[in-house]
Amino acid sequence: NAGVTQTPKFQVLKTGQSMTLQCAQDMNHEYMSWYRQDPGMGLRLIHYSVGAGITDQGEVPNGYNVSRSTTEDFPLRLLSAAPSQTSVYFCASSYSGTGENIQYFGAGTRLSVL
Amino acid sequence: ELKVEQNPLFLSMQEGKNYTIYCNYSTTSDRLYWYRQDPGKSLESLFVLLSNGAVKQEGRLMASLDTKARLSTLHITAAVHDLSATYFCAVLSGTYKYIFGTGTRLKVLA
Repeated sequence: NAGVTQTPKFQVLKTGQSMTLQCAQDMNHEYMSWYRQDPGMGLRLIHYSVGAGITDQGEVPNGYNVSRSTTEDFPLRLLSAAPSQTSVYFCASSYSGTGENIQYFGAGTRLSVL
Repeated sequence: ELKVEQNPLFLSMQEGKNYTIYCNYSTTSDRLYWYRQDPGKSLESLFVLLSNGAVKQEGRLMASLDTKARLSTLHITAAVHDLSATYFCAVLSGTYKYIFGTGTRLKVLA
């Protein structure tokens, strides 16, 4: 059972380039989310999804797009990277059926935009 | 808008001492989470607190929740070096939206 898998682990981009951060989970969780972590600011929610075909914006959605065509995958797209998007990105998933809604996190993607 | 505040932001303590990390949140929620993050690593779930007065303990860590005061505490008993990490609290807003505190970086000195 792999849990939440993120790829790549590290990425360097030039300003204006585009890329997709991949996130997959094999736990059949309905909820998936993307966070960015910056020093001194905790984790901030970028986008989230409550099921296939359903997405919504979090606290800091600008510059990012998401889609969810399957339960398992929730990719995050940077359309035109900016230095302000240099951060560590975490994907997480959770399941509401137990009542606890505990989130499980991927290992993270460290992104630098030059 | 739900806000979550943790204090202190940094904590340096001697081995064997006790200390408490505080997590305040601004609006009603019925789920509060504590996570641990080691440097360069992901977040690991420690506790989930579901109701007023809930208390959970694991080893030297004990978490509690007071929903009336909108306050959770993470108490460290007789700290050891292995507890050095950053600790986050998070509150569930609605069914799916999680709001995190800024984290408390704990360093336990020998």
